[in-house]
Amino acid sequence: NAGVTQTPKFQVLKTGQSMTLQCAQDMNHEYMSWYRQDPGMGLRLIHYSVGAGITDQGEVPNGYNVSRSTTEDFPLRLLSAAPSQTSVYFCASSYHPQGDNTEAFFGQGTRLTVV
Amino acid sequence: LAKTTQPISMDSYEGQEVNITCSHNNIATNDYITWYQQFPSQGPRFIIQGYKTKVTNEVASLFIPADRKSSTLSLPRVSLSDTAVYYCLVGVPLFSGGYNKLIFGAGTRLAVHP
Repeated sequence: NAGVTQTPKFQVLKTGQSMTLQCAQDMNHEYMSWYRQDPGMGLRLIHYSVGAGITDQGEVPNGYNVSRSTTEDFPLRLLSAAPSQTSVYFCASSYHPQGDNTEAFFGQGTRLTVV
Repeated sequence: LAKTTQPISMDSYEGQEVNITCSHNNIATNDYITWYQQFPSQGPRFIIQGYKTKVTNEVASLFIPADRKSSTLSLPRVSLSDTAVYYCLVGVPLFSGGYNKLIFGAGTRLAVHP
């Protein structure tokens, strides 16, 4: 299994540009999340989804949009990139709530620089 | 969600046992305690999860006292490859009907020396 796949791995944007970070998982997980990690810091939750068609905001949602049209994919959209959004972005997925395993699987991250 | 407090950093030497303690005074009845490990330039990786007493797997042990206000991650005989950041998380597990949003703190940076 590929697990959680994020693309691209690296991206440089100019201020004001928009882009979509892709996240796909092949484990049929219901739950998916997006985090950002600034240098030397822990991860902060941006948005999450409990299933296809259902999304909600995390700790730091401003400037980001998400959608969940399929179980497999959970893209993160930057509407108008700002230097403050320079960070490493991680996508994660977890099992269905009826299971007994709450382990979350993370992708390898997307390193985004906004200039 | 319960707030967690961990040491910012720890140092150890190869072959030693390392114990990282996490404080979570406001833990709720339904909360579980989960630990993740993160290497540089990688996403976090699940290590262990528990509710009370002791849990052990092939990687680590997790000790949780009766009052559950703290927990201790124990790494036996660490090696250089255990150098990483370790996160303690407290939250509602998926199977209880809630969604574990996995709120991360700053974590503990463990440095293992030769």
